This record gives sequence, C-alpha cells and structure tokens, in this order.
Amino acid sequence: DTEVTQTPKHLVMGMTNKKSLKCEQHMGHRAMYWYKQKAKKPPELMFVYSYEKLSINESVPSRFSPECPNSSLLNLHLHALQPEDSALYLCASSQTPGGSYNEQFFGPGTRLTVL
Amino acid sequence: DQQVKQNSPSLSVQEGRISILNCDYTNSMFDYFLWYKKYPAEGPTFLISISSIKDKNEDGRFTVFLNKSAKHLSLHIVPSQPGDSAVYFCAASFQGAQKLVFGQGTRLTINP
Repeated sequence: DTEVTQTPKHLVMGMTNKKSLKCEQHMGHRAMYWYKQKAKKPPELMFVYSYEKLSINESVPSRFSPECPNSSLLNLHLHALQPEDSALYLCASSQTPGGSYNEQFFGPGTRLTVL
Repeated sequence: DQQVKQNSPSLSVQEGRISILNCDYTNSMFDYFLWYKKYPAEGPTFLISISSIKDKNEDGRFTVFLNKSAKHLSLHIVPSQPGDSAVYFCAASFQGAQKLVFGQGTRLTINP
C-alpha cells in the first residue's frame, strides 16, 4: 500500500463551524505533514509530525489545530476559519523526518471552502 | 528570499518532442532534489529525485540533471505525451531538514 488517503474530498463550512480533516497512511512512515495550497502557488508547509510528535509549526494560526492519534493517522481540526483559509489542504508522509533521500508522498487533498 | 526558483511559469511542447523544465537554487546546503507533477485539484505526485553526489538520474522517460557549480537542475521528458500536461514543481532539501522547499512551478502543456 503506497497511498496517502484524505477525507473528505470537499468541505464547505461557515466561519463559526468546527470541522476536521483526516489523513491516513499505511506505509509505516514516521513523518507526516500538513500543507496548504492556493491556486497557482506551491504547497506551503503548515505542520510536521515526527514519530507522532509535533516538530514543526510554521506559525500557523491557532484556528488550525493538528493532531496525530497514532503513527498512521493525522487530523487537522478547524475552528472559526476565515474565507481566506479556503484552499486545497494536502497531507503528506515520508519514511523518516530527515530531508535527504526522503521523498514525501502526498494525498489527493481536501478542497476547503469557507463561506 | 526564494531559495528555489522556476523562472518559466509555463512551457508548451509538441507531442513526441523533448520537454525541458528548469530549476535554480541558491542554498548551497541543499543536497537532495525532487520533481513533483501536479494535476488540478489533486495532490502532487513524486516523479524523480537526485542527490548531490550524482549529476544524472534516469527513470523511463524522465531524466533529471544536476549542475552543482551552477546550482541548476533540469527535468527532461522524452518523448512528451499528452498526459504529461500538468504543473511541475521542483523541490529541495538537505540532511537534517524536515521540510521541502518548493519552487513556484511550471505549467507544461503538450500539444498534439
């Protein structure tokens, strides 16, 4: 199994809603990532989990709250988002957190629209 | 400070010809480079990578060349096929880093 899965595929939410994005991988990877991607831009790193511990938070607003319940799962909890948070949210995983020789494999993404 | 640059936002190539996508970097610490392909509304797909100890890596129709002295890498696709039409991102990393630094992407269009 060489796949990263993400649910839901699409999500529309109001600014007062609370929702969660889910990501799963069964490749035995020990690093997992959340990215945000706007149209015509490269993916922008939000969080890195290394061996189930948060190791990088790229100064992301607290309305985004990551969670790693176990080595296969990664969640992103959303609360009180703004319309400018509308984007494609990508999950990725890699064998280890190190940079070299360490390809990141991406899921298909969740297209989030905040009204 | 953009450490990884793809200076061509778009490229159009005829089917069957060679596509060459370019990427420049400024950080000498980078020692691993990757190319990703992305279709609209999908996640990036890993294509090919190269470490700084090599100057060429080949995988089927895809070849990546690395010129360390010029801090430049390129992706060659030959022959180009309609399914290659996508946005291509160059990315770089180094030992100990936990993140990839992406270029801005190049939209490749293969014309029949």
